[in-house]
Order: sequence, then structure tokens, then C-alpha cells
Amino acid sequence: NAGVMQNPRHLVRRRGQEARLRCSPMKGHSHVYWYRQLPEEGLKFMVYLQKENIIDESGMPKERFSAEFPKEGPSILRIQQVVRGDSAAYFCASSPEDEQYFGPGTRLTVT
Amino acid sequence: DAKTTQPPSMDCAEGRAANLPCNHSTISGNEYVYWYRQIHSQGPQYIIHGLKNNETNEMASLIITEDRKSSTLILPHATLRDTAVYYCIVRVPNYGGSQGNLIFGKGTKLSVKP
Repeated sequence: NAGVMQNPRHLVRRRGQEARLRCSPMKGHSHVYWYRQLPEEGLKFMVYLQKENIIDESGMPKERFSAEFPKEGPSILRIQQVVRGDSAAYFCASSPEDEQYFGPGTRLTVT
Repeated sequence: DAKTTQPPSMDCAEGRAANLPCNHSTISGNEYVYWYRQIHSQGPQYIIHGLKNNETNEMASLIITEDRKSSTLILPHATLRDTAVYYCIVRVPNYGGSQGNLIFGKGTKLSVKP
């Protein structure tokens, strides 16, 4: 059973471009979480999704950020018009119900 | 804000037991204690969780005091690969899918030294 997959592992975007981060959960897991870790800081929850539904997006910035977890395919975290402050490691986790299993993260650098 | 208090850092000699404390004096009756760790630049890794009884798995043991206001994670024979930041988190389990995010504090940076 493969672990949580995230791609790309590293992503460089210029200010104003869009960033798309993908997360493939472990087989059989229907819960996906996204977290962000700014440099030298702790992980912060962003959004919790189940298939085709957003359950909790209380940690998502109100603008430019969106997330989806379609019936088929990976979960996508989308950041529009990136700014330098979006530079961070973005981790997704999947869960069968309770324990969360994290992917290796996507490191986004905005130049 | 995290509901737990942990020392910012600890050292441990390789091969010895690492005992990581966590205070959670405001824990509610239906909240469990979870431990995760993050090895440098990697995604966090689930270690163990428990409600009130001591728990043990292949990675670690979790000792929870009788009043549940504190707990200790024990790595019985620490290796250099156990060097990581260890997070103690209290939360209600996500059974039913209505909630579930983890609230990470600053954790304890454990350095295992040869």
C-alpha cells in the first residue's frame, strides 16, 4: 500500500502566477487534510475534505486559495496570484477516519 | 492555540530511553492524547494515541497519568534516526467525519546524540 503521494515535490512560481498542488491519498482513505508550514514555524491546518465535499475550511485564507477532492483523482490545492508570503511547505494528510498519514510535502517558492 | 505544553528541546544518548513529557491540564473527558513527530523537512508521522490507559506499539509507549493532566512518550531505545520534533496533541477523535484537524504547537525538539 503506497503512502500519501504529493506532487510536485518542489514548485517555483513567479509572483502573480498560479500554483497547483496535488495529493493522492492512501488507498481506501476518503479523508484529506491540507496543512501549511511557513519557514521556521509549526504546521497550520488549512482545509479538511472528504470526497466531493469540503468539511472544514476554517484555516484557509479567504482569497486566492481553494481546494477540491473530486470523486476521481487527487485532491488539489490551488493558489491563485501567488505572493512571496505563500512560500512554504504544504503537506497533505489522508485518513481512513482518525489517524492522519502525511505525505512528503510540496515546497513552494515564490520568486 | 495548542492545549498542550512541552519543553522546547531535549537531548538523549543513543541507545537510551527518551522520555518526552507533555502537560495537558485542561484536557476534556472525551479528548485523546496523540503524538506525532516530524523529522527534518519530512511530513509528520503518527506515533501513538490513547485516552487513559497506557498504550504501546512498535514505535513507542504512551504513559498517561491517572488524572490525565499529563503524559509521557517513551522511545525505549533511541537511535539517531529518532532525532525529530515531537508533537503532543489533544483532540476528540474524528469518528463520524465531522471534525479532524490537528492543532500543532511548537513541540519538543529531540536530539539523539551518539
